[in-house]
This record gives sequence, structure tokens and C-alpha cells, in this order.
Amino acid sequence: KQEVTQIPAALSVPEGENLVLNCSFTDSAIYNLQWFRQDPGKGLTSLLLIQSSQREQTSGRLNASLDKSSGRSTLYIAASQPGDSATYLCAVKRSNDYKLSFGAGTTVTVRA
Amino acid sequence: DVKVTQSSRYLVKRTGEKVFLECVQDMDHENMFWYRQDPGLGLRLIYFSYDVKMKEKGDIPEGYSVSREKKERFSLILESASTNQTSMYLCASSIRGLYEQFFGPGTRLTVL
Repeated sequence: KQEVTQIPAALSVPEGENLVLNCSFTDSAIYNLQWFRQDPGKGLTSLLLIQSSQREQTSGRLNASLDKSSGRSTLYIAASQPGDSATYLCAVKRSNDYKLSFGAGTTVTVRA
Repeated sequence: DVKVTQSSRYLVKRTGEKVFLECVQDMDHENMFWYRQDPGLGLRLIYFSYDVKMKEKGDIPEGYSVSREKKERFSLILESASTNQTSMYLCASSIRGLYEQFFGPGTRLTVL
């Protein structure tokens, strides 16, 4: 069974600081890994998708890396803004499964 | 942009009522999913469908059923709602091969 862990559960940073969010998974036989953002009471917004053959993926201020062998992914958000305050979830899809396994998320607060 | 819509943002029902939650996607995705999200338990997969009229149980199918008569529409049915089904319900879809999941805005269901 795939276990996905996100540490820390919560993070508070001043505006302008770079954010580093961690995701670890137990089974390295993954198909892809996806990072999501969730605002309170809302659905999930897909931020980045990394295929198992990729090492990183970038979109604007966001950069996600993947180290399959060590079972880790990191989401970097450069120059954080108060609008980045949200819960960030990672999810992995195994090669032989339709399902995603989700982490519990990291709740980020960016202080103005 | 992929659009996944859910029929209601908020719903209040009585114990024992039959409840229908509707999800529609506009990107011709083969795969559709129903999750529930609860504090401390994260996202849990209820059912998914990989084609019209095809369905598979997820991790917590008890008390739920689904229907997929058309490719764009996936319905979640609570045959006899109970208070422990009070939750946020999230629908998602993905295209076969890429498997990036896109989520709807969610339905907050309260069963009294």
C-alpha cells in the first residue's frame, strides 16, 4: 500500500520568503506525482504534474522536483505572497493503479 | 481549460433521504472519480469509473452507489443518507494515459 507523508503539517512565513514543501512516499513504483492547492471550503486546483521519468517541473514561481529512488518530492514556491496561503497536497499514482494516494497536506500561511 | 462542475455547492438533507450528487466534465475524459474529504482523514476514494457504464469500488464504497450513463457525467448516489455521510464531496476527472486529475469545486453535504 502506498503511504504518502507531508511534513510539516503547517508552515507560517513572512511575505517574500521562499517556501519549501516536502512530500515522501513509500512505494517508488509510481506513474506520476501531482501537486495541488486547496483553499478553505473549495476543491483542489492542480499545480504541477511530474511524470515518473522527469526530475522536475516548473510553472511560474513554482518548481517541483522528484527523486523516485528516495521516494521524495519537493515543491518550491519562490518569493511567497499572502495569496499563496492555502493547503498544498501531493498525490502519487502507482503504475498499476487508477487511484491517487494523497498526503494529508501542508497548510501554508504567508504573513504580510 | 478543463472544467469539472458539481451540481450543488451546499446541500442539506434528512436522514434516510436518497441523495444524488452530479458531476459533469467538459474535456472528454475517460476517468472520473468521487472522493470525500473529512478533517483528519484526508481525501478518500469512494468510487471511480474508467468508461461509460464501468465502475470500480474505491476505499470506502459502503453506503454509496454510482452511475455513469454518459461519458461526461458521473453521479454519486446515497441510497439512504446517514449523519456519518456529512462531508465534503469532491469529483475529479482525468484522461487515460496522462492521468492528471482535475477537480470540481466540491459539494458540502450536511445530513441532519
